[in-house]
Amino acid sequence: DAKTTQPTSMDCAEGRAANLPCNHSTISGNEYVYWYRQIHSQGPQYIIHGLKNNETNEMASLIITEDRKSSTLILPHATLRDTAVYYCIVRVRSGATNKLIFGTGTLLAVQP
Amino acid sequence: EPEVTQTPSHQVTQMGQEVILRCVPISNHLYFYWYRQILGQKVEFLVSFYNNEISEKSEIFDDQFSVERPDGSNFTLKIRSTKLEDSAMYFCASSEQASEQFFGPGTRLTVL
Repeated sequence: DAKTTQPTSMDCAEGRAANLPCNHSTISGNEYVYWYRQIHSQGPQYIIHGLKNNETNEMASLIITEDRKSSTLILPHATLRDTAVYYCIVRVRSGATNKLIFGTGTLLAVQP
Repeated sequence: EPEVTQTPSHQVTQMGQEVILRCVPISNHLYFYWYRQILGQKVEFLVSFYNNEISEKSEIFDDQFSVERPDGSNFTLKIRSTKLEDSAMYFCASSEQASEQFFGPGTRLTVL
């Protein structure tokens, strides 16, 4: 699975959009970009995934660059409850290995 | 909304004792996983299970660990003889296909 690079931490004001970047320059054609988050010591929570088109669901939007070497997770109106560690994970969607390899992620602190 | 559940939420045991951590995956899911997170460290993959057998396991998952799906609903992780370094949060996850994984709230295992 391709390696990802994320900033260690970010701040965001409550009510504003949080834009979390992720670099995955070695991504290959059949690898998807997945985003999970972990609030305090809870279980990781699936947010969204995409291959090459931008995706949106009730939680967030995922913008993937045309060359697929980077992506941005957007939380449109961050709340205090969105304070969490956000993980960008690149992997084949259904292949020989289904394990998720978690990095250190980005700690997003939403400020009141 | 269906969710993965885990019991107990906290387990305290003496070194050398056997523990069984229990999980009830989402009912129509076919793939099951265990991950662990030592305090302050990354979430680490332990094992994946599909079609009543282990499909992949990590180096951490040695002979002291075993998994079982004893009936149609439960998925268990057994640690035969616990060590101090087994102290961690253990997360169960499930997925319908080999794609988005949904995690339980975790069991905190403390080995004394």
